Amino acid sequence: GAVVSQHPSRVICKSGTSVKIECRSLDFQATTMFWYRQFPKKSLMLMATSNEGSKATYEQGVEKDKFLINHASLTLSTLTVTSAHPEDSSFYICSATGTPNTGELFFGEGSRLTVL
Amino acid sequence: LAKTTQPISMDSYEGQEVNITCSHNNIATNDYITWYQQFPSQGPRFIIQGYKTKVTNEVASLFIPADRKSSTLSLPRVSLSDTAVYYCLVGDMDRDDKIIFGKGTRLHILP
Repeated sequence: GAVVSQHPSRVICKSGTSVKIECRSLDFQATTMFWYRQFPKKSLMLMATSNEGSKATYEQGVEKDKFLINHASLTLSTLTVTSAHPEDSSFYICSATGTPNTGELFFGEGSRLTVL
Repeated sequence: LAKTTQPISMDSYEGQEVNITCSHNNIATNDYITWYQQFPSQGPRFIIQGYKTKVTNEVASLFIPADRKSSTLSLPRVSLSDTAVYYCLVGDMDRDDKIIFGKGTRLHILP
């Protein structure tokens, strides 16, 4: 099956700094990618839908200036958490639909962000 | 996007068959039903997908009644390693609809 890779898998940063998380589709072109956030023992919460070459569509309540999403190519989307604060500590997961879209979502391994 | 409802948690024993039912009363004509499994600190992974009747693969079966308002994921002879959270999702595979996760079912397999 299609492979989606995230990097880094774990990151610890100081409050006020920015962190970039990369999501790559390794063996397929991903026109659409989705970014999720997951808190402990909770479900995945959709943050935004990222389309190659256009601006991301953010879900209600997600600050677009804080969570910058860039989908500059068909194989790479990035999420930048700007001016991170401890409450941004979470597990961030990206996913992508394949080409052609079979309805299956391919997920990255996730990135655990800890803000001190 | 159809909303789904699943039991919050289930317990079972090794070697048993486990059935997890998902309700999706507002499923649309073009929607497919997909189940994912998630282990702690990992991204979800695809288990099975279906549109109607029954689908079987090497790890699970999916039963969908004629009205498609529910579906049942069946895991045969579970083992401890099947302890995970299972999510049922419905969506139109012909469009890149955003995929909203429900609460999922936390399955705990006991020895």
